[in-house]
Amino acid sequence: KQEVTQIPAALSVPEGENLVLNCSFTDSAIYNLQWFRQDPGKGLTSLLLIQSSQREQTSGRLNASLDKSSGRSTLYIAASQPGDSATYLCAVLTSGTYKYIFGTGTRLKVLA
Amino acid sequence: KAGVTQTPRYLIKTRGQQVTLSCSPISGHRSVSWYQQTPGQGLQFLFEYFSETQRNKGNFPGRFSGRQFSNSRSEMNVSTLELGDSALYLCASSLELAGVYEQFFGPGTRLTVL
Repeated sequence: KQEVTQIPAALSVPEGENLVLNCSFTDSAIYNLQWFRQDPGKGLTSLLLIQSSQREQTSGRLNASLDKSSGRSTLYIAASQPGDSATYLCAVLTSGTYKYIFGTGTRLKVLA
Repeated sequence: KAGVTQTPRYLIKTRGQQVTLSCSPISGHRSVSWYQQTPGQGLQFLFEYFSETQRNKGNFPGRFSGRQFSNSRSEMNVSTLELGDSALYLCASSLELAGVYEQFFGPGTRLTVL
């Protein structure tokens, strides 16, 4: 049974810092991994998707890496801004299923 | 291109009633997934439909059901509502293309059960 864990649960940083969010999963037979951002009371916004054959993906100040053998993904946010404040969720699609399993999220606050 | 739309956005019901939520996927997307989000349990998978067929189902009681129409629009139904069904219900659509299965979410329906 796939389980997804995100550490830390909450993070508060000053503006301008580079930061890393972590996502761990128990079953390495994944099809892809997706990072999302969620603002309070809203739906999820897709940030990056990494296919199982890829090691990393980049979009602007965001970089996500994937290490299937160790069951880990990291989301790197460069030069954080107050507008980055949100909850960040990772979701794993296990091979052979059409079912994303979500982590519990990291609540990020970037202080001006 | 329009995103995923969900109706209604907010709903208040009482225990024992039933409710139907609607989701319209992005044009061309044939897969629709439903999730329940609560503060205590996080995001939990309900079910996924593709071309009117349920391909996967989460661990929810039979009171939760869904369906998909030929135009890919989907509905989910919850019968005999309980207080614990209060949650944000999210719908996601996906385009399976070249081995990529990326989900795009709607704004959700906030259900409150009194």
